Parts: sequence; C-alpha cells; structure tokens
Amino acid sequence: SQKIEQNSEALNIQEGKTATLTCNYTNYSPAYLQWYRQDPGRGPVFLLLIRENEKEKRKERLKVTFDTTLKQSLFHITASQPADSATYLCALDLSGNTPLVFGKGTRLSVIA
Amino acid sequence: NAGVTQTPKFRVLKTGQSMTLLCAQDMNHEYMYWYRQDPGMGLRLIHYSVGEGTTAKGEVPDGYNVSRLKKQNFLLGLESAAPSQTSVYFCASSYSSTGLTNTEAFFGQGTRLTVV
Repeated sequence: SQKIEQNSEALNIQEGKTATLTCNYTNYSPAYLQWYRQDPGRGPVFLLLIRENEKEKRKERLKVTFDTTLKQSLFHITASQPADSATYLCALDLSGNTPLVFGKGTRLSVIA
Repeated sequence: NAGVTQTPKFRVLKTGQSMTLLCAQDMNHEYMYWYRQDPGMGLRLIHYSVGEGTTAKGEVPDGYNVSRLKKQNFLLGLESAAPSQTSVYFCASSYSSTGLTNTEAFFGQGTRLTVV
C-alpha cells in the first residue's frame, strides 16, 4: 500500500543545534517533494520544493535533501531558534493533476 | 492581496444539520482543494477541483459535496452533519499541479467545526 511517514510525532531540540526531520514514502514515485510549516491554529505555509533530479536545496537556514533510491527526504534547520518551533509537513507532488499527498507532520520544539 | 479566505472560522452544528463552507482565492489559481485535519491523522483530502466547473473525489469524500461554479470560489457542503465530521477544515489553492512550476499550495486559515 502507499504510505508517507514522517519519522516522529514530536522532536525536542536545544536552541542552536541542527534539527533533522525525516520523510519516508512507499509505493509512490513523486516528481517533487515539498515541505510546509504549520503553526497552531493556522494553515500550512509552503517552505521549499525539491525536484527528483536535485540532491539538495537550501534556503537561508533550511536545507532539504531528496534521495529517490532510499525514497526519503531530510529537512534540516541549522542554528535552530525557539521561533522555529512548529509542525513541519512533507508533501509528495506526484504531477499529472494529482493533488499533494501530505505526511502527518513532525512537531518540533526548540528549547532555549 | 488576501490569498485564500475561508468562511466561517468557527461553527457548532447539531447532528443532522447542514452547512456550507466557503473558500475564496484571489490569485487566479486553477486548482482548489478541501482537506480535513484531525489529531494524529494529518491532512486528508476530501474533494478537489482542477478548474471551474470541475470537481473530483479525494481520500475521504463521503458525507461531503462540493461545487466550483466560479474559478475563485470552492464550496464544501455537509448535507447532514455527523459527530465524525468534527474537524478542522482547510481550503487550499495552487496555480497548477502538473509538477512543472508553481505547484505549491496556499492554505486558508481553517474552519473549526464541531458537530454535537
């Protein structure tokens, strides 16, 4: 069956450290993978998109990798800050008029 | 530029009542989506539309109907509300979904619905 899994429901990390979140998928062939941030009581907000032929994408303190062999994406936040505390969702972009498929999210807490 | 606007933000319904959730976007996006989000379940797609006048079923369509009479609006209807439909509902839109460009989704602020 098709599955998309994010490694843990919650992740606690000390301020200044690098947070690493994992997104694994089974029986999908995404052309792209997207990452979103969701704050409590708000809708998700798009952060980054990475294409299947890109190994890595960076945006300020954020870095995303995409390994189609392992069927995995890693999302890194370097020099994490308490303001980075939120739930992070990965989404598979399957192309061909198919809507995004979302993982359940990982709730990140950055502790000062 | 308002983006995606959902109406209402909160609603309490009695079992068996009906209601319509309205989603409006001002970005001229072709694609619009309705998701529900429940604790531990993530975002699940209810229905979606790839253009004005079109609709399609998502993962959890039962108990819901939708209409896309105008490009900028996507309506989600509950004909006979049930407690299992208590959830937070999110509308989203995107320019395209072909995986080429501009596929990122823009979300509304959500509608918190409670059915008692």
